[in-house]
Amino acid sequence: ETGVTQTPRHLVMGMTNKKSLKCEQHLGHNAMYWYKQSAKKPLELMFVYNFKEQTENNSVPSRFSPECPNSSHLFLHLHTLQPEDSALYLCASSQDPRAGGETQYFGPGTRLLVL
Amino acid sequence: GQQVMQIPQYQHVQEGEDFTTYCNSSTTLSNIQWYKQRPGGHPVFLIQLVKSGEVKKQKRLTFQFGEAKKNSSLHITATQTTDVGTYFCAGDTGTASKLTFGTGTRLQVTL
Repeated sequence: ETGVTQTPRHLVMGMTNKKSLKCEQHLGHNAMYWYKQSAKKPLELMFVYNFKEQTENNSVPSRFSPECPNSSHLFLHLHTLQPEDSALYLCASSQDPRAGGETQYFGPGTRLLVL
Repeated sequence: GQQVMQIPQYQHVQEGEDFTTYCNSSTTLSNIQWYKQRPGGHPVFLIQLVKSGEVKKQKRLTFQFGEAKKNSSLHITATQTTDVGTYFCAGDTGTASKLTFGTGTRLQVTL
């Protein structure tokens, strides 16, 4: 209902698997974000894309690889993850963060379990 | 880097009691936003405060931005079970294209 969709909603993967998370926003926004939410931790910003260009990488391990083919789609490619990467991965979008004070609209998240 | 802390981490109240969560930033903010995340859900935007000392109300919720623009609070009057969830503040320094989310306060309301 927020205009931001994520698939899959749940994912279980082994440490040697390769999988991708998908996010799509239908709000006409220019910026998209990936966040990681673990139990008992604040929301951790992972990546920011603005007008398809990556503008932020918060020291995220290379086993997480983002891709933003256009302003409406954002992917997070996963490979050789660790059990501690198990978390809720949230995608968000906003109009233009360069203007400051931009409300972010979140998708429902993908709950990832790494075995 | 910028840090945004919230207290308390968790509060359990009985329905009808009031609730307050406090948000403190290590740096001066250009604006602050509040989000609510229901159990099993995702953060949903509630409000944005921009001016020093600003107070905004949404029904039973009162939001305040500190004079120094480094802290904020959310007060809920006469809580209801529908208020259950985690409340996050998120600070924007105005110099970078990102919000820094607070640690969150989880509110539990029982009858």
